[in-house]
Amino acid sequence: DIVMTQSPDSLAVSLGERATINCKSSQSVFYGSNNKDYLAWYQQKPGQPPKLLIFWASTRESGVPDRFGGSGSGTDFTLTISSLQAEDVAVYYCQQYYTTPGTFGQGTKVEIK
Amino acid sequence: EVQLVESGGGLVQPGGSLRLSCAASGFTFSSYDMNWVRQAPGKGLEWVSYISSTGYNAYDADSVRGRFTISRDNARNSLYLQMNSLRAEDTAIYYCARALPGSGWFDPWGQGTLVTVSS
Repeated sequence: DIVMTQSPDSLAVSLGERATINCKSSQSVFYGSNNKDYLAWYQQKPGQPPKLLIFWASTRESGVPDRFGGSGSGTDFTLTISSLQAEDVAVYYCQQYYTTPGTFGQGTKVEIK
Repeated sequence: EVQLVESGGGLVQPGGSLRLSCAASGFTFSSYDMNWVRQAPGKGLEWVSYISSTGYNAYDADSVRGRFTISRDNARNSLYLQMNSLRAEDTAIYYCARALPGSGWFDPWGQGTLVTVSS
């Protein structure tokens, strides 16, 4: 199975500042035939199910604020929250769907400093 | 509105069985692959089982293979997870989640149903 490793495990950021979460896969999740990275990001707030934020590594789901951005390719990916808002406090997960099972990272908890 | 509603969770003794259900509405259920994903208390997400839109293909995580069986009834817009030989480590919230064929990301997720395995 592809192992997904996120860093850091947690971070505290001041309101309005940038939050950056990294995700590394144990093998490439880039599919050359369609030029796509099979990587998604989810947000999970306390007591709620996960919510899809980004797919194909950088495509925002409809309705997701544009302060959320995904980047990277191959094995190294980043989720950036450009200006942290109070409602962004959550745990964030990356997921590869290049192979079945679609494995998740261990999660990164984002808090307000 | 697209909606997934899980049911069937509860307290069960080690070695026991449970059958989870996921009722889908607001979309053409038979056009989508479906998954079960679980989350142990205070832990991260673990994919459990996948079934294709037609039901012809299914896969399970190593941790549940041979004990859990995923199935679906497209006529009833329902997904199921039959869980046998339950262990303490199966204690978790179980979510059903939709995936578009050819994609692989999960959207949306249901609210989840809690399974507790304890004597």
